[in-house]
Amino acid sequence: DGGITQSPKYLFRKEGQNVTLSCEQNLNHDAMYWYRQDPGQGLRLIYYSQIVNDFQKGDIAEGYSVSREKKESFPLTVTSAQKNPTAFYLCASSIPGRGTGELFFGEGSRLTVL
Amino acid sequence: AQKITQTQPGMFVQEKEAVTLDCTYDTSDQSYGLFWYKQPSSGEMIFLIYQGSYDEQNATEGRYSLNFQKARKSANLVISASQLGDSAMYFCAMREGGGYNTDKLIFGTGTRLQVFP
Repeated sequence: DGGITQSPKYLFRKEGQNVTLSCEQNLNHDAMYWYRQDPGQGLRLIYYSQIVNDFQKGDIAEGYSVSREKKESFPLTVTSAQKNPTAFYLCASSIPGRGTGELFFGEGSRLTVL
Repeated sequence: AQKITQTQPGMFVQEKEAVTLDCTYDTSDQSYGLFWYKQPSSGEMIFLIYQGSYDEQNATEGRYSLNFQKARKSANLVISASQLGDSAMYFCAMREGGGYNTDKLIFGTGTRLQVFP
């Protein structure tokens, strides 16, 4: 079945550590996105990529980094520079210019900093 | 700047009744898209319905309909015949532009809907 796989589902890290969240899609979508969700707030865009080897900052990119070496993969690294990294992270993909353009989401990764 | 506003933090509805979740938006673009997503407690985001800014008819998908009032910049979600499984967070979202290069969305803060028997 086609879809988006995020791992790990739950992750704990100590302050000062970098952590990488995995996002893989087999939908053959060109564009991929990372969103952050905090309690009582909507989703906020961290980074997005329209094509392999290219990505742009979203609204809250500080303290995060990404790469897009393969079409199906868009990993997110939460660095020690991110001041408040505890949150729920959602990866999504789409095919811009086709259909309604809705985003297809993974099941999310919940990061807790101890 | 583009913005989505959902003013109802929580809503209650009895099973089998209809409920309306409010959403207003702000944009200077003429071309844009409006979306509603459902987020159950498990966390995944489920696409429900889409309305394009040039669509003259209100969008419908099964028990979901979108009450699109362009002049008022509102895009309310109507759920008819509520079911217990409709209990979840609901997010309104907007994409500026025709979506030819990117589909990045901005989201509202959400409304938590609880359906009771």
